[in-house]
Amino acid sequence: GAVVSQHPSWVICKSGTSVKIECRSLDFQATTMFWYRQFPKQSLMLMATSNEGSKATYEQGVEKDKFLINHASLTLSTLTVTSAHPEDSSFYICSARERTSGGYNEQFFGPGTRLTVL
Amino acid sequence: DQQVKQNSPSLSVQEGRISILNCDYTNSMFDYFLWYKKYPAEGPTFLISISSIKDKNEDGRFTVFLNKSAKHLSLHIVPSQPGDSAVYFCAASRGEGGSEKLVFGKGTKLTVNP
Repeated sequence: GAVVSQHPSWVICKSGTSVKIECRSLDFQATTMFWYRQFPKQSLMLMATSNEGSKATYEQGVEKDKFLINHASLTLSTLTVTSAHPEDSSFYICSARERTSGGYNEQFFGPGTRLTVL
Repeated sequence: DQQVKQNSPSLSVQEGRISILNCDYTNSMFDYFLWYKKYPAEGPTFLISISSIKDKNEDGRFTVFLNKSAKHLSLHIVPSQPGDSAVYFCAASRGEGGSEKLVFGKGTKLTVNP
């Protein structure tokens, strides 16, 4: 299957700072990337959907000014957690899908980023 | 509002026996279902999927059954192996191929004992 990477794999930051997480599709062009968040013992919750070259679509209850998403190229999307607080500590996972002549392919997930806000 | 439910947080089976993981959904608009396997601190890995036009899909040791009238699906692993120990997530979408928005259950932690 296709490979999706995330960087960093884990990050610790102070409350009030901003953190940027990168999601890259390594061997395919991702027209759409999804950002999920997972709290301990909970399901993956979709935060937003980003299409290359356009604004992200956020799920209900997700603050777009706090979680800035940029999908500037077909292989890179970034999630920036602005003014992070301890309650933002979570596991953030991205997924990517490719558009082919036959339609859309399945989503491939990255390994995730563990964010801890002190 | 949990649209996809995995009511068993954990399951323990002996190596060689069958593992059955269950999943229920409430949204009748879902037409594509997927199972993912996830290890701690890693992203989900796709296992097997099924379209709503089918009631069974098999891939090696993994079989997924879908009962649309009951809004229920299950994943069977036969025979179970210690390497199958992981958290299994059920996911549903309204798009073919799981390319659309996925709604996940909370997962079931499977432990296969040697």
